[in-house]
Amino acid sequence: GNSVTQMEGPVTLSEEAFLTINCTYTATGYPSLFWYVQYPGEGLQLLLKATKADDKGSNKGFEATYRKETTSFHLEKGSVQVSDSAVYFCALSVMEYGNKLVFGAGTILRVKS
Amino acid sequence: DGGITQSPKYLFRKEGQNVTLSCEQNLNHDAMYWYRQDPGQGLRLIYYSQIVNDFQKGDIAEGYSVSREKKESFPLTVTSAQKNPTAFYLCASTLAGPYGYTFGSGTRLTVV
Repeated sequence: GNSVTQMEGPVTLSEEAFLTINCTYTATGYPSLFWYVQYPGEGLQLLLKATKADDKGSNKGFEATYRKETTSFHLEKGSVQVSDSAVYFCALSVMEYGNKLVFGAGTILRVKS
Repeated sequence: DGGITQSPKYLFRKEGQNVTLSCEQNLNHDAMYWYRQDPGQGLRLIYYSQIVNDFQKGDIAEGYSVSREKKESFPLTVTSAQKNPTAFYLCASTLAGPYGYTFGSGTRLTVV
């Protein structure tokens, strides 16, 4: 089946620290991969995506590279800010399954000033 | 601006009542989805619809019902059969293809 595994949180960092949130997946078929961010009390916003192997998605200083050989899509940011505090969800979709998104459990990020 | 609107933002339900959550999009998206989110947990799919007048059950459909009479609208009814309805409900939509979803801002339902 299709599934996504994310590192457990919460992840607590100081401002300007380097961020990595690990995400690995299993999929039948060729998935597209996504990172979503959720701020308190709000819906999810698409942060970045990649649709084929070795693609790098990037947005607002965040990056993730689609690694087919390791079935991974780790989220990174070189210097986090307090405003990055949120819940981050890794997700995949497979065309053969109607492009339904399958989500990881989410990782809480807390950034201290 | 195009977007997806959920209403109300907060909803309180008495035991034994049915309540309906609204979801409207003006993005001309084909597919729409309802998810439930519990505190500290991920998203679980309730129902989805890929075309008008057709919808499928997701992973936790029991105690919920939906309709898709118009492309723009996908209301969710939480029935009295849903034993633990207190949660944050998220609606989403997408075009066909690997584009990811656009989410609404959510409805927080509380049973009182």
